[in-house]
Amino acid sequence: AQTVTQSQPEMSVQEAETVTLSCTYDTSESNYYLFWYKQPPSRQMILVIRQEAYKQQNATENRFSVNFQKAAKSFSLKISDSQLGDTAMYFCAFDTSGTYKYIFGTGTRLKVLA
Amino acid sequence: GAVVSQHPSRVICKSGTSVKIECRSLDFQATTMFWYRQFPKKSLMLMATSNEGSKATYEQGVEKDKFLINHASLTLSTLTVTSAHPEDSSFYICSAAPGREGPDEQFFGPGTRLTVL
Repeated sequence: AQTVTQSQPEMSVQEAETVTLSCTYDTSESNYYLFWYKQPPSRQMILVIRQEAYKQQNATENRFSVNFQKAAKSFSLKISDSQLGDTAMYFCAFDTSGTYKYIFGTGTRLKVLA
Repeated sequence: GAVVSQHPSRVICKSGTSVKIECRSLDFQATTMFWYRQFPKKSLMLMATSNEGSKATYEQGVEKDKFLINHASLTLSTLTVTSAHPEDSSFYICSAAPGREGPDEQFFGPGTRLTVL
């Protein structure tokens, strides 16, 4: 069975600084997707970034980038130039390609300090 | 695009009553919809997967007779909590997958907070 582990329950970062959230997963599948979702206080789940396992290039979306290490089964999220609006819960999610069935990690609560 | 709505956003009911939550994909057809439950400060727990026109598939430990799911059309799924009790109080989130080619992406609704008195 697939599992997703987020080992940092809470993190904080100063505004404008950089922070990295870690995520590891376990699977025997070769074709899958990985996602980072943000859940602000409104509780609306917002897609931050996604990575296809077959792509070696790390995904980037503006201030958000990932470090995808397939062999190590690691998928960390780097947030650059942190903003107060980045304060939220961040969930890492895994999906075996074609199933659309997500397995979520336990989440990391990120607080950006002014 | 890819907006999913949920109604109601919050509901309070008495113990023993039933509550229906609607999930709609507003601008796309969803071949598959998912229902999650989230406890405070916890992760999302998948309750069931529903495909239009067929019975929902429930995750282990989820009572299908308590949590009735109907996926009546490609844009609407409903979750009915039957004979609700205080322990059913939670935040319920639905998501919808268009099932088109490309990354397996789900689009999430804003959630429904259920409080059972």
